[in-house]
Amino acid sequence: AQTVTQSQPEMSVQEAETVTLSCTYDTSESDYYLFWYKQPPSRQMILVIRQEAYKQQNATENRFSVNFQKAAKSFSLKISDSQLGDAAMYFCAYRGNNDMRFGAGTRLTVKP
Amino acid sequence: KAGVTQTPRYLIKTRGQQVTLSCSPISGHRSVSWYQQTPGQGLQFLFEYFSETQRNKGNFPGRFSGRQFSNSRSEMNVSTLELGDSALYLCASSLYASSGANVLTFGAGSRLTVL
Repeated sequence: AQTVTQSQPEMSVQEAETVTLSCTYDTSESDYYLFWYKQPPSRQMILVIRQEAYKQQNATENRFSVNFQKAAKSFSLKISDSQLGDAAMYFCAYRGNNDMRFGAGTRLTVKP
Repeated sequence: KAGVTQTPRYLIKTRGQQVTLSCSPISGHRSVSWYQQTPGQGLQFLFEYFSETQRNKGNFPGRFSGRQFSNSRSEMNVSTLELGDSALYLCASSLYASSGANVLTFGAGSRLTVL
């Protein structure tokens, strides 16, 4: 079974600084997708970034980028120039042939 | 374009009762999936529907059931409620099913409290 592990329950970053959230996963599938979702205090989950496993190039979306290491089964999220609005729970997720699996989440605090 | 709408947003039930939650997907989306979110277990997949057919089911007891209608709206039902069913129930919709190529759009959730 596929599992997703986020080893950092909480992280803190100073406004305008950079922070990296870690995620590892376990799978025997060769074709899959990885995601980072953000859940602000209002609770609506929104997609931050998506990575297709067959693509070697790391995905980027403005200030958000990932470091995808397929062999190591690692998928970290880097947030550059952190803003107060980035404060939220961040969930790493995996989707293969079946259902979506989520990590336990990392609560990110942004300090002004 | 309206987002994913979940109703009710909040509800309180007592043990032994049953509850039905509703999810209206984004217009044109044909897949709906449900998740249970609790502080202890995190986000867990319940089931996924596409074109009125259940495509995948998570590891939950038979008390949890769902269905999808021809207009893609979905409902989930929990019978014989237990205290441990207290959770935020999230619904997500996507164009198709069973593929990470399809981005999930989540609703705001239905917060169920079982007393």
